[in-house]
Amino acid sequence: NAGVTQTPKFRVLKTGQSMTLLCAQDMNHEYMYWYRQDPGMGLRLIHYSVGEGTTAKGEVPDGYNVSRLKKQNFLLGLESAAPSQTSVYFCASGLGVGEQFFGPGTRLTVL
Amino acid sequence: KQEVTQIPAALSVPEGENLVLNCSFTDSAIYNLQWFRQDPGKGLTSLLLIQSSQREQTSGRLNASLDKSSGRSTLYIAASQPGDSATYLCAVTTSGSRLTFGEGTQLTVNP
Repeated sequence: NAGVTQTPKFRVLKTGQSMTLLCAQDMNHEYMYWYRQDPGMGLRLIHYSVGEGTTAKGEVPDGYNVSRLKKQNFLLGLESAAPSQTSVYFCASGLGVGEQFFGPGTRLTVL
Repeated sequence: KQEVTQIPAALSVPEGENLVLNCSFTDSAIYNLQWFRQDPGKGLTSLLLIQSSQREQTSGRLNASLDKSSGRSTLYIAASQPGDSATYLCAVTTSGSRLTFGEGTQLTVNP
């Protein structure tokens, strides 16, 4: 039982490049979330999903896209990376109005 | 818009001391409140979850209380140890199962 895993752990991009972050969970959770954590700003919700095939915007969705093609996976995409997207990205999953379980994070630097 | 504030931002105590971390939120319409621990460069570990109908939860040396009507929660750590050094985050669940986080309290327990 791995819980919530994230791939990759670290990544450096140049401005304008694209990439996809993968989140996987093996707890059969319906809900999955993507957050970013920045100094002085705390964790902020980017996008979330309430089930396979669904996605919704969070607090800071601009510049990101997501997909939930399989229940266990939630992908976060950056189509054209900007320095403002340098951050630590966390994925989480849960059963809804209850405890959320977090992955170890992905450190992204955009030059 | 829900806002979560944690006081103090940083706290340094000698080993063995009992301590209290504070969390306040502006909108009392919450489903639950979670306390997390985050070690440097790591993900979030859930410590305690208090449902909106509960007043407190306990786990080992940790006790969390919730006063929903006044928008306050406290995390009490008994007999602190150097291994308790970490950042402690408070988060509330509001509509749509979305978590709103405080910026955290950075705790240092000195041997």
